[in-house]
Amino acid sequence: EDKVVQSPLSLVVHEGDTVTLNCSYEVTNFRSLLWYKQEKKAPTFLFMLTSSGIEKKSGRLSSILDKKELFSILNITATQTGDSAIYLCAVGMGAGGTSYGKLTFGQGTILTVHP
Amino acid sequence: KAGVTQTPRYLIKTRGQQVTLSCSPISGHRSVSWYQQTPGQGLQFLFEYFSETQRNKGNFPGRFSGRQFSNSRSEMNVSTLELGDSALYLCASSLTGLHNQRGEQFFGPGTRLTVL
Repeated sequence: EDKVVQSPLSLVVHEGDTVTLNCSYEVTNFRSLLWYKQEKKAPTFLFMLTSSGIEKKSGRLSSILDKKELFSILNITATQTGDSAIYLCAVGMGAGGTSYGKLTFGQGTILTVHP
Repeated sequence: KAGVTQTPRYLIKTRGQQVTLSCSPISGHRSVSWYQQTPGQGLQFLFEYFSETQRNKGNFPGRFSGRQFSNSRSEMNVSTLELGDSALYLCASSLTGLHNQRGEQFFGPGTRLTVL
């Protein structure tokens, strides 16, 4: 059974701290790993990773994938209260034209940033 | 470019009724996926449509069905509603799926379904 596991499940930090969120996976026909941020609405896309070892960066957020060890991390530096949200990791699978539009999600990490 | 839109945004139904939810993808996107989000189970994949064909299906009972029209708009239907169907139903669109670098999915605001 395909499985995506995130840790920690919740995290409380203060503004300015750096956080690392983890996502490990066991899936068949791995195609990509995606990170989303969800506040009180629909998830918003952060990153899509398909290749090992290549860091993707957007402002204070960065992410990297390790396809050998089957995990990804999402780093947020100099956290702000606006970073408070649920961070979701999802894995896309696909082989031979199947599973392309299907994402398997982890449980999410609830990040709370205090001023 | 307009984002993914879903209607209605909120819906209250009673057990045994049926419901139809609608999703309009981003213009030019041909893949539409549906997800159910609940506090207990998180986000779970329902099905995906591409060019009017169901390309993949999650582990949900046959009461959950969907379709896609030639303009890529999609509907999902839930028949014989149960209390456990109360959830946020999210639709996501992407250009062609996840098989290329531009395959990331973009989510709509969701339809909050409450079954009484």
